[in-house]
Amino acid sequence: EIVLTQSPGTLSLSPGERATLSCRASQSVISNYLAWYQQKPGQAPRLLISGASRRATGIPDRFSGSGSGTDFTLTVSRLEPEDFAVYYCQQYGSSPFTFGGGTKLEI
Amino acid sequence: QVQLVESGGGVVQPGRSLRLSCAASGFTFSNYGIHWVRQVPGKGLEWLAMIRYDGGKTMYADSVRGRFIISRDNSKNSVFLQMNSLTVADTARYYCARTFTGDFDYWGQGTLVTVSS
Repeated sequence: EIVLTQSPGTLSLSPGERATLSCRASQSVISNYLAWYQQKPGQAPRLLISGASRRATGIPDRFSGSGSGTDFTLTVSRLEPEDFAVYYCQQYGSSPFTFGGGTKLEI
Repeated sequence: QVQLVESGGGVVQPGRSLRLSCAASGFTFSNYGIHWVRQVPGKGLEWLAMIRYDGGKTMYADSVRGRFIISRDNSKNSVFLQMNSLTVADTARYYCARTFTGDFDYWGQGTLVTVSS
């Protein structure tokens, strides 16, 4: 099983700032099949990034993903008020399709 | 528009069974795989099971293999999760999610399962 470790656990920033979230895998993620999801309170997760760097349909370009192998990053270039949420990484290259523990992005 | 609607949650006693449903609309259901993911309130996401678009392949997390069964009926645009031998640790919100290329691109709003005596 691939274990995904996200850091930091909580990130405190202000609107307009840049956010950098990390996701480290215990072993190489097959074909960089790494996704990022955003979850707001009371809502289902929403796909932001797949294949480590491909934005999902309708996702603003202030969200970007990078990385390969075992180290991945989600960057939000200029935080908007609606971006404060919990972010999860997930690998879908091999079963079980594990999630990281999440990073809470707070104001 | 794409919609996934889960149902079947509720309060159940330990050791009992429950069957969740995921009803899909707004897309060609028989072309997509479906996953079940759960989330203990206030905690993270846990992948549980997946069924291929044609029902020909299923996969399970170790935590539910042998207790949970995923199935689908493409004629009814639905996926099911039969949950047996439930324990308190199975208390969570259960989501279904769609997949075509591997990522989970649309999610339902979830159904809450509470296992309590």
